[in-house]
Amino acid sequence: QVQLVQSGAEVRRPGASVRVSCKPFGYSFPAYGVAWVRQAPGQGLEWMGWISPYSGHTDYAHSLQDRLTLTTDTPTNTAYMELRSLRSDDTALYYCARVLVTGTTPPDIWGQGTLVTVSS
Amino acid sequence: EIVLTQSPGTLSLSPGDRATLSCRASETVSTSFFAWFQQTPGQPPRLLISGTSTRAAGVPDRFSGSGSGTDFTLTIRRLEPEDFAVYFCQQYFRPPHTFGPGTKVEFK
Repeated sequence: QVQLVQSGAEVRRPGASVRVSCKPFGYSFPAYGVAWVRQAPGQGLEWMGWISPYSGHTDYAHSLQDRLTLTTDTPTNTAYMELRSLRSDDTALYYCARVLVTGTTPPDIWGQGTLVTVSS
Repeated sequence: EIVLTQSPGTLSLSPGDRATLSCRASETVSTSFFAWFQQTPGQPPRLLISGTSTRAAGVPDRFSGSGSGTDFTLTIRRLEPEDFAVYFCQQYFRPPHTFGPGTKVEFK
């Protein structure tokens, strides 16, 4: 079964960093890219960025590019999203999702989401 | 970045009704790079349509997409109870691959 499995919920203080992992099952990891999308409570979807495990190419949302780093680890077939200098408005459900390795498709398989709570 | 605007914000309809959802882009988007998603409470989004009009695997044919340039439409021919949800459009023509704010289809 094709699926993406994400790491568990996180709680951080303002100013801290968080790293969320995403591991695909049922397909070849290097053959597809990984997009990251977040959703604040009761709000819409915000595209954060994407990465190609094959080339390492990344694109980031303008509003996050100074604080966001997407990486992949091919030996363990895992993608990571790191967000730094966390603020309360970063509290959201963070999703990873599969896209084509060129980044030219919409996300078709989504992880279950990881809740990140930023609170003092 | 390309900004997407969806209308209406909320659509109040009954099962069996036809739903027409609109999405307008701030600049021209190639039809090859436009998608629609459905999201129900507590679930991740589900891809419905890519390339403006191509249904994803398993999506019923009562869902159809159309449009070009800056104006795109999702039509649900006859609403089933499971179709009452929030719908998002997305352009993946140029990064950042922005989403619209969503249209909620609710029971009238």
